[in-house]
Amino acid sequence: EAQVTQNPRYLITVTGKKLTVTCSQNMNHEYMSWYRQDPGLGLRQIYYSMNVEVTDKGDVPEGYKVSRKEKRNFPLILESPSPNQTSLYFCASSTQGALYGYTFGSGTRLTVV
Amino acid sequence: GENVEQHPSTLSVQEGDSAVIKCTYSDSASNYFPWYKQELGKGPQLIIDIRSNVGEKKDQRIAVTLNKTAKHFSLHITETQPEDSAVYFCAARLGRSGGYQKVTFGTGTKLQVIP
Repeated sequence: EAQVTQNPRYLITVTGKKLTVTCSQNMNHEYMSWYRQDPGLGLRQIYYSMNVEVTDKGDVPEGYKVSRKEKRNFPLILESPSPNQTSLYFCASSTQGALYGYTFGSGTRLTVV
Repeated sequence: GENVEQHPSTLSVQEGDSAVIKCTYSDSASNYFPWYKQELGKGPQLIIDIRSNVGEKKDQRIAVTLNKTAKHFSLHITETQPEDSAVYFCAARLGRSGGYQKVTFGTGTKLQVIP
């Protein structure tokens, strides 16, 4: 089954404790992206990657890092999480150009206390 | 950059009635407009899309219209059913040379279909 898999689904952590949210897709998509979803703000792009070793900032990249060492994986790293990063996070992938829309993962609900 | 506005933020309809969600975009170079449905506890799922060279597209009870001149596009759901209850997002894709793309989402519409 074609899918984007995120882990974990739920995560509660403390301020300053480094964490990684994993994302993997099995569709051989070139393009991958991370979004955060907050009430009233919709989906805002954090980082995206057009292919292996090619990443760039989205609209809200502060406090996040990403890497794309393999085509299928695109982890999101929070080096020093803060409470304002409490949010629902989605990983998405698509073919180059996104001409057929995104496939989204099921989401990771992160709470930073 | 691109800005996408979506209205209304919430919408309640009686089962069997129609629902319409509207979006406007700012960059006339945007060329692809997908709509996503997000059910509770799940990620958004693509339900219909339209490209800039098409004015209307229909898939069973769902249709999307695009007015490039006015820079707005709409989602129409007819004969609504309780399972249509969800949050709907519109988006606009801005493509550039070299494969770069920028997809901007609206803020979402929570649709409630009342049985």
